[in-house]
Amino acid sequence: EAQVTQNPRYLITVTGKKLTVTCSQNMNHEYMSWYRQDPGLGLRQIYYSMNVEVTDKGDVPEGYKVSRKEKRNFPLILESPSPNQTSLYFCASSLAAGGEYNEQFFGPGTRLTVL
Amino acid sequence: GNSVTQMEGPVTLSEEAFLTINCTYTATGYPSLFWYVQYPGEGLQLLLKATKADDKGSNKGFEATYRKETTSFHLEKGSVQVSDSAVYFCALTLNNAGNMLTFGGGTRLMVKP
Repeated sequence: EAQVTQNPRYLITVTGKKLTVTCSQNMNHEYMSWYRQDPGLGLRQIYYSMNVEVTDKGDVPEGYKVSRKEKRNFPLILESPSPNQTSLYFCASSLAAGGEYNEQFFGPGTRLTVL
Repeated sequence: GNSVTQMEGPVTLSEEAFLTINCTYTATGYPSLFWYVQYPGEGLQLLLKATKADDKGSNKGFEATYRKETTSFHLEKGSVQVSDSAVYFCALTLNNAGNMLTFGGGTRLMVKP
């Protein structure tokens, strides 16, 4: 089944404790991205990757890191999480970054709480 | 900058009623337009898309037409079902912006039997 998977689905952690949220897609998509969803603010892009070893900042990149060493994986790293990073996180991928095949497919989401 | 404005919800309808959720956009270019749906506790699913003016996207009885003259992409369905209860997001992306999706705030639809 073609899908985007994320792990963990739920995470409660404390301020300053490094964490990684994994994202993997099995559709051979070139483009991957991370969004956060907050009440009243909708979804906002954190980082995106056009291909392996190519990443760039989205609208709200502060406090996050990403890497794209393999085409299928795009982990989101919080080196020192803070309470304002409590949110619902979505990974997404698309076959291409533009043109006819630019629709993004989303993972199930990771609900993160930072105490 | 780019932005998407949706009608605020919740929208409450009876089963078999006609649905319209308004969406208008501003963009510094020629965007692709999307409707995504989020069912309770789940991620976003692409509902339909349109990539150029006058295109009509359709799926599962839902339709939306890309209107460049009014910068709109309103979502419609002729007869809603209880299973359509969800949050609906209108979104756009520009090919020259790293495929970043700009979302509207979402509209919650509640359909009562």
